[in-house]
Amino acid sequence: GNSVTQMEGPVTLSEEAFLTINCTYTATGYPSLFWYVQYPGEGLQLLLKATKADDKGSNKGFEATYRKETTSFHLEKGSVQVSDSAVYFCALSDRGWSFGNEKLTFGTGTRLTIIP
Amino acid sequence: GAVVSQHPSWVICKSGTSVKIECRSLDFQATTMFWYRQFPKQSLMLMATSNEGSKATYEQGVEKDKFLINHASLTLSTLTVTSAHPEDSSFYICSAIIPGDGTEAFFGQGTRLTVV
Repeated sequence: GNSVTQMEGPVTLSEEAFLTINCTYTATGYPSLFWYVQYPGEGLQLLLKATKADDKGSNKGFEATYRKETTSFHLEKGSVQVSDSAVYFCALSDRGWSFGNEKLTFGTGTRLTIIP
Repeated sequence: GAVVSQHPSWVICKSGTSVKIECRSLDFQATTMFWYRQFPKQSLMLMATSNEGSKATYEQGVEKDKFLINHASLTLSTLTVTSAHPEDSSFYICSAIIPGDGTEAFFGQGTRLTVV
């Protein structure tokens, strides 16, 4: 079955530091890959996604590249801000997402705290 | 983006009682909603897929008689935890997809259930 392994947290960084949160996956097919973010008191929000190998998703200064050869989708940001403090979830879904009933498989989530 | 509202955000109940959690899509109609459960330091685990006007599809190992799901309208799905026990204490999250645009799931804020 599908699975997602995500770097365990919590992660604490100083403002303007470089961020990497590792994510690797196991899937039987050709999944789409996602990073979701959950800010305190809010629901999960899609941060970025990639639907095929070598695609790079990016948003709000965050990037992640779909690496089929290493089955990875690591999240990176060059200079983090205090406002980036949140819990980050890596996830995958099998093909067929467009049918509207596909399932997401999540990693455990990584809590990120940025200190001024 | 689309908004999914989940209520309540937290609830404490006594063992043996039932608890209902609501998930509403506020600005779109959702034919399909998903219910997840998250234990501390673990992944979000899909419990069931809720389909408007039909029976929910439960994941393997999820007791359908214990976790009753009703999707009576295009904007509301409910999860009822029946005869709750302390081991049912968890974080429950719902999500929905906009029909015809199944590339992003929108999540509720989650409900923290504590059974005492």
